[in-house]
Amino acid sequence: EVQVVESGGGLVQPGGSLRLSCTVSGFIFNDYAMHWVRQAPGKGLEWVASISWNSGVLGYGDSVKGRVTVSRDNAKNSLFLDMNSLRVEDTAFYYCVRTRYRAFDIWGQGTMVTVSS
Amino acid sequence: QSALTQPASVSGSPGQSITISCTGASSAFGTYDRVSWYQHHPGMAPKLLIYEGTERPSGVSSRFSASTSGNTASLTISGLQADDESDYYCCSYPGDSVWFFGGGTRLTVL
Repeated sequence: EVQVVESGGGLVQPGGSLRLSCTVSGFIFNDYAMHWVRQAPGKGLEWVASISWNSGVLGYGDSVKGRVTVSRDNAKNSLFLDMNSLRVEDTAFYYCVRTRYRAFDIWGQGTMVTVSS
Repeated sequence: QSALTQPASVSGSPGQSITISCTGASSAFGTYDRVSWYQHHPGMAPKLLIYEGTERPSGVSSRFSASTSGNTASLTISGLQADDESDYYCCSYPGDSVWFFGGGTRLTVL
């Protein structure tokens, strides 16, 4: 059974930092590029970051570029998102997502990040 | 403001068909085979409906179909059912490790 489980969300003050983690099982993790996608309250889906299977190619959305770093540990079937200089507008549900055939085919249930003083 | 434009809402009655459009500049759209569509019920993980412009993953109902023409992609849902009521998103991958979502369309089944 395929499982994607995010963790690390929580309440953080503006300007703070947070590390999100995602652990997967049920498929060969290092065969796939992985992504973070978020949804702010009352807003639509927004692509945040991507990482190729071997970490050789990274991509970031304009709204987070320079403030977040995506990484992975293939030995531990894990994906990470390090977020710094957090803003109120970063408040969102963050999903860990697999890509296949240039589409997001497997999604986790998400972890909530709240940036508030 | 999203790089891909979708109508904010559409509605239809059970049994009818509806179409949701997704339009973008060529820089955001890429090629037709880089468009995907998602259904997102509140509180649940989004679900892939269409990949590579027109292809349906295994397990997705044939009531969901898609097409592309120029810089516009369209998702059609035929034989509307009550549980089709949801949010729908298009997504494109124009390349260079950058992805875009449309702003989303809320489907109401009357």
